[in-house]
Amino acid sequence: GAGVSQTPSNKVTEKGKYVELRCDPISGHTALYWYRQSLGQGPEFLIYFQGTGAADDSGLPNDRFFAVRPEGSVSTLKIQRTERGDSAVYLCASSFSPGTNNEQFFGPGTRLTVL
Amino acid sequence: AQSVSQHNHHVILSEAASLELGCNYSYGGTVNLFWYVQYPGQHLQLLLKYFSGDPLVKGIKGFEAEFIKSKFSFNLRKPSVQWSDTAEYFCAKNQGGKLIFGQGTELSVKP
Repeated sequence: GAGVSQTPSNKVTEKGKYVELRCDPISGHTALYWYRQSLGQGPEFLIYFQGTGAADDSGLPNDRFFAVRPEGSVSTLKIQRTERGDSAVYLCASSFSPGTNNEQFFGPGTRLTVL
Repeated sequence: AQSVSQHNHHVILSEAASLELGCNYSYGGTVNLFWYVQYPGQHLQLLLKYFSGDPLVKGIKGFEAEFIKSKFSFNLRKPSVQWSDTAEYFCAKNQGGKLIFGQGTELSVKP
């Protein structure tokens, strides 16, 4: 596609439930990033992939969060036993290759609300 | 840990006023700096970036930023804002491939 796409755009769930958020990067981009943005804050890094492997998962807040990218394209962020504090906008970005001087292109985000 | 600070949380300007948004970053590592903008209802878009060379960087829509190494700053400027510049602006630093963002500055331009 022309840009990074994310589904669903909105997700409302109950505390304790499991959710999956999907990201479809720009075709040909090998690096994929997940960020989380809470109200009034800048995006916070969660994890990034180079190809199929997680190159840096230092931003994942705890073991309830997990992400995969099995074929090096689409990625899924998985959150187990959701808590109200997980409510945020989850952003996905991709870049042609990883590295400090490559532009990251962002998707529209998934707004997660945990009741 | 690396950090990025934006001092202005909300800025309100009239059209044609000049704009300067502050950004300071913590010392350490390669300096690769970015300004992103998020217009209402839209996703984050890159305004400009600095990697090396000329410290005055020009971006899209008439924006520019100046990298001042001695002050650890990368302030965003525009000589004359328009109503369409109303948006949230984020400064960011690349650390090992991941972006470290500031808290953001909301700009409201009154027509």
